[in-house]
Amino acid sequence: AQSVTQPDIHITVSEGASLELRCNYSYGATPYLFWYVQSPGQGLQLLLKYFSGDTLVQGIKGFEAEFKRSQSSFNLRKPSVHWSDAAEYFCAVGATNNNDMRFGAGTRLTVKP
Amino acid sequence: GAGVSQSPRYKVAKRGQDVALRCDPISGHVSLFWYQQALGQGPEFLTYFQNEAQLDKSGLPSDRFFAERPEGSVSTLKIQRTQQEDSAVYLCASSLVGVQPQHFGDGTRLSIL
Repeated sequence: AQSVTQPDIHITVSEGASLELRCNYSYGATPYLFWYVQSPGQGLQLLLKYFSGDTLVQGIKGFEAEFKRSQSSFNLRKPSVHWSDAAEYFCAVGATNNNDMRFGAGTRLTVKP
Repeated sequence: GAGVSQSPRYKVAKRGQDVALRCDPISGHVSLFWYQQALGQGPEFLTYFQNEAQLDKSGLPSDRFFAERPEGSVSTLKIQRTQQEDSAVYLCASSLVGVQPQHFGDGTRLSIL
C-alpha cells in the first residue's frame, strides 16, 4: 500500500519569506498526489493535485508543487508567505488501482510578522 | 448544497453509548469517504462508498463501527458502545469518481467521556 512521509512537524517562516514543505511518498507506480490545507476547526481544502503530465503543478493561493519521480517527492512551495497561510498542511497519495488515499501526519506552518 | 455538510459539528457522549454521524455529500458525487483524524495527526481512511455500495471498509477499526449509504447520497457512520479511544474528528469527503480530488466537510468532533 502507498504511504506518505512529511518530515517536518512544524515550520516557522517570516511573512514575505519563501516556503517549502516536504513530502515523500512510497508507491510502486505513478501515484495521484495532493496537497491539502486545514485551518483549525475546518475540513481540508485542496490546494493542488498531480495526476500526470507536467511535473510542476500550480494551485490556489499562489502555491505550487513539483513531482520528482527519482526522489519520490512532491514538495509544496510558495515564493512569498502571507500571515493567512498559517495552517496545517497535508500531503496525500492516492493509488491508481484503488480508492484508498493515504495522508501524511501534516506540517504545521506558523508565520511570524 | 455547495459543499459537503456534516452533522453534528460536535458530539459528546458517555462511554458505552451509541452515536450516529451524518454526511451530506456534494450532489452528484459518486464516491464518498469517511476518515478518522486523531489530534495532531493526518486523516486515516475508514471506509469508501461508490453510490450505495460499500466497496472498502478495511479501515474501520472494529466491528463497533458501521457505515451506510442506502440511497447513494447521504451517509451515516455509526459507532456502537463508544470507547474513549473513539474520540477524534470524523471527516467525510466526496468526489465525482474515486480518489479524484476529494471535497471535505468540516468534520464532526466526537468526544467520549
